[in-house]
Amino acid sequence: NAGVTQTPKFQVLKTGQSMTLQCAQDMNHNSMYWYRQDPGMGLRLIYYSASEGTTDKGEVPNGYNVSRLNKREFSLRLESAAPSQTSVYFCASTSLGTGRETQYFGPGTRLLVL
Amino acid sequence: KQEVTQIPAALSVPEGENLVLNCSFTDSAIYNLQWFRQDPGKGLTSLLLIQSSQREQTSGRLNASLDKSSGRSTLYIAASQPGDSATYLCAVLIYNQGGKLIFGQGTELSVKP
Repeated sequence: NAGVTQTPKFQVLKTGQSMTLQCAQDMNHNSMYWYRQDPGMGLRLIYYSASEGTTDKGEVPNGYNVSRLNKREFSLRLESAAPSQTSVYFCASTSLGTGRETQYFGPGTRLLVL
Repeated sequence: KQEVTQIPAALSVPEGENLVLNCSFTDSAIYNLQWFRQDPGKGLTSLLLIQSSQREQTSGRLNASLDKSSGRSTLYIAASQPGDSATYLCAVLIYNQGGKLIFGQGTELSVKP
């Protein structure tokens, strides 16, 4: 099993450009999450999808959109990138309702917005 | 609003020492508490998960305890090794909010040979 995979690993954007961060999991998990990690702020939830077909805002959703494409894939889109979105983005997944809701994380995407 | 705090922010110890990392949370209505390890430039690796009904979990040299009533958890690392050097994060899971995790800011551990 590959676990949780993310693409790209690293990206540089100019202010105003758009991009989509891709995430996929092969563990048959029903729930998926996007977090961002910033120095001094820790990890904060951007959006989540508790089950296929549903998405909800997390703590810091402004400037982002998400798509739960199918059970395996959950993408994060920046429509018009801003320097404040420079961060490391992590995707995670878990199976809610099993009694063992460990979240598994991808390796991260490092985004620099100039 | 749930807040998670980790103390200390950084810790440096000589190899072989036993150590304790602390985590506190403000709302006891948690589903579980998870400890993660993060190496520089890497993702998070799950270490231990404690359900809200449990008091502790052990894995090898690691032992995590949970006192939900006081809003505290500790991660005990026995006989520390240089390979234990990393940032350790605790997080509480809020089940009725989609299973999201609320993270502390982490403790950066350095174990000197």
